[in-house]
Amino acid sequence: KNQVEQSPQSLIILEGKNCTLQCNYTVSPFSNLRWYKQDTGRGPVSLTIMTFSENTKSNGRYTATLDADTKQSSLHITASQLSDSASYICVVSAGGGSYIPTFGRGTSLIVHP
Amino acid sequence: DVKVTQSSRYLVKRTGEKVFLECVQDMDHENMFWYRQDPGLGLRLIYFSYDVKMKEKGDIPEGYSVSREKKERFSLILESASTNQTSMYLCASIPRTSGSYEQYFGPGTRLTVT
Repeated sequence: KNQVEQSPQSLIILEGKNCTLQCNYTVSPFSNLRWYKQDTGRGPVSLTIMTFSENTKSNGRYTATLDADTKQSSLHITASQLSDSASYICVVSAGGGSYIPTFGRGTSLIVHP
Repeated sequence: DVKVTQSSRYLVKRTGEKVFLECVQDMDHENMFWYRQDPGLGLRLIYFSYDVKMKEKGDIPEGYSVSREKKERFSLILESASTNQTSMYLCASIPRTSGSYEQYFGPGTRLTVT
């Protein structure tokens, strides 16, 4: 069964600090992995998308990494801001014509001033 | 920019009422999805549709039905709302030609059933 596990479940950091969120998956075959940011009460918004051949992708202060061999991904946030407070969701697609992705349960990040 | 809209941001209904949640996308996407999101459980797929008048059950279809009469519109129906259907409901869409399978989400509807 395809699964996506995220850790930690929640995280509290001080403004200006860096943090790293983890995602492990067992989705097969693998097509791509996406990180979404979801602000409270809003729909998720895509941050990064990575395919099998990509191992790093950046979007401003957000950098995602992918190790397709170990089936792990991380999302690193640099110099955190209060607006980074949100839920971060890892999503993996199997491809092969399937449009049904597998979602992680998300990491809730709170940035304190 | 792709735009997915949902008919209501917040909705309060009584137990036993029939509830309609509407989702509209403006980019001619073939695939549309309805999810519910609950704390600690993440997003769970209720129903999806590959095309007009086509629908497939997701992981938790019980208590729900859907309608796709037009390509741009996908409706979620709670035939007889119950308190355990209190949740955040999210609609999403993907074009059939998408190689990235990136889903575009609506803003969500926070439904409370009392």
